[in-house]
Amino acid sequence: ETGVTQTPRHLVMGMTNKKSLKCEQHLGHNAMYWYKQSAKKPLELMFVYNFKEQTENNSVPSRFSPECPNSSHLFLHLHTLQPEDSALYLCASSPGLAGSHEQFFGPGTRLTVL
Amino acid sequence: QQQVKQSPQSLIVQKGGISIINCAYENTAFDYFPWYQQFPGKGPALLIAIRPDVSEKKEGRFTISFNKSAKQFSLHIMDSQPGDSATYFCAAGTGGYNKLIFGAGTRLAVHP
Repeated sequence: ETGVTQTPRHLVMGMTNKKSLKCEQHLGHNAMYWYKQSAKKPLELMFVYNFKEQTENNSVPSRFSPECPNSSHLFLHLHTLQPEDSALYLCASSPGLAGSHEQFFGPGTRLTVL
Repeated sequence: QQQVKQSPQSLIVQKGGISIINCAYENTAFDYFPWYQQFPGKGPALLIAIRPDVSEKKEGRFTISFNKSAKQFSLHIMDSQPGDSATYFCAAGTGGYNKLIFGAGTRLAVHP
């Protein structure tokens, strides 16, 4: 595997379910991100992790719970979601070094909340 | 002040034409302005980026024009091809944690 991978690619869940999204980067990067992409809206930054430490939480509801066990893996735990949470969830990574801005994105998980 | 405003929302161009997408920002602390390209079913991928110390950057058919005083930057795609049909996002970044603020995206369709 190369680059940034995300699993699953598609997920359908009910409002009472608990599920997790997984992201893995094979680039040796130190920063990882979760974004939400909804139709006709800007990519919304949700969380940022640098060297496994959360450095940004963009006022995300507590029904989204991130976890970063190491610099290569990032999870997004989901529980009691709402239909408006249906979106494409993108993971990204970057070197995490000052002045090194390029972010590399995974293909995303298409989430549908019924 | 953290917003990046992108226009147009959608764009149709004939093959061989020039595609132009514009973005504007407010925060003068931004020091990095990338453009990302996203095809259906894929994540965004970096296309080209510029820093505010230059007014133009060209890579092949893709050019970024940057106007620091107007706080605007634009992407020009010369000789547009059907394979360029995708959604394009501008972004602006600053800070040691490489945080990017994205525009809403422009869906480009290049007709043969």
